[in-house]
Amino acid sequence: SQQGEEDPQALSIQEGENATMNCSYKTSINNLQWYRQNSGRGLVHLILIRSNEREKHSGRLRVTLDTSKKSSSLLITASRAADTASYFCATGVSGGYQKVTFGTGTKLQVIP
Amino acid sequence: DTGVSQNPRHKITKRGQNVTFRCDPISEHNRLYWYRQTLGQGPEFLTYFQNEAQLEKSRLLSDRFSAERPKGSFSTLEIQRTEQGDSAMYLCASSLQGQERNTIYFGEGSWLTVV
Repeated sequence: SQQGEEDPQALSIQEGENATMNCSYKTSINNLQWYRQNSGRGLVHLILIRSNEREKHSGRLRVTLDTSKKSSSLLITASRAADTASYFCATGVSGGYQKVTFGTGTKLQVIP
Repeated sequence: DTGVSQNPRHKITKRGQNVTFRCDPISEHNRLYWYRQTLGQGPEFLTYFQNEAQLEKSRLLSDRFSAERPKGSFSTLEIQRTEQGDSAMYLCASSLQGQERNTIYFGEGSWLTVV
């Protein structure tokens, strides 16, 4: 079963605009990770935010986490055509190992 | 690091045949995971190994599926008597226990088409 749900399911923007994707989850987590997947390819890890962190930056990426609302957002600033991909949030919970459960993804299209 | 390697990348097989996928994790990563992904969905957890021990199996992993990691390095995922519903991408991932970030690294996946 899916733990996280991304919103929107699809997003189309012009190059240079910012893209915001949201993720909601159901149970308590240790951390939340965002991944990118180009069509037909494997997943690329983008950023991890721990449950005691509220915001994290990496290059053009900004991730926020609100554990009280069980939600996270991923902001991509100054988007590029190469950012076109599906983006997944994945929640990590305690269980003796890093069990990661993925949401259904947001499909982002950046129009040149 | 050479990354997580999976092969074959694509496999087309007839219903009822057996298929085997191989995964070579990042060297020294002691944790290995298999996921399955169908079109339009996120990856779904199948099974997890710590070293050679298979510590968790999803209910998605029917008795036609078997995964091994005999020496705690590479892993194989075998599907017996394939069905059309097995068509999916099978993703392997690895991580290092104790690594602070607990980041899981994925391979490029193995596409299975059952005809």
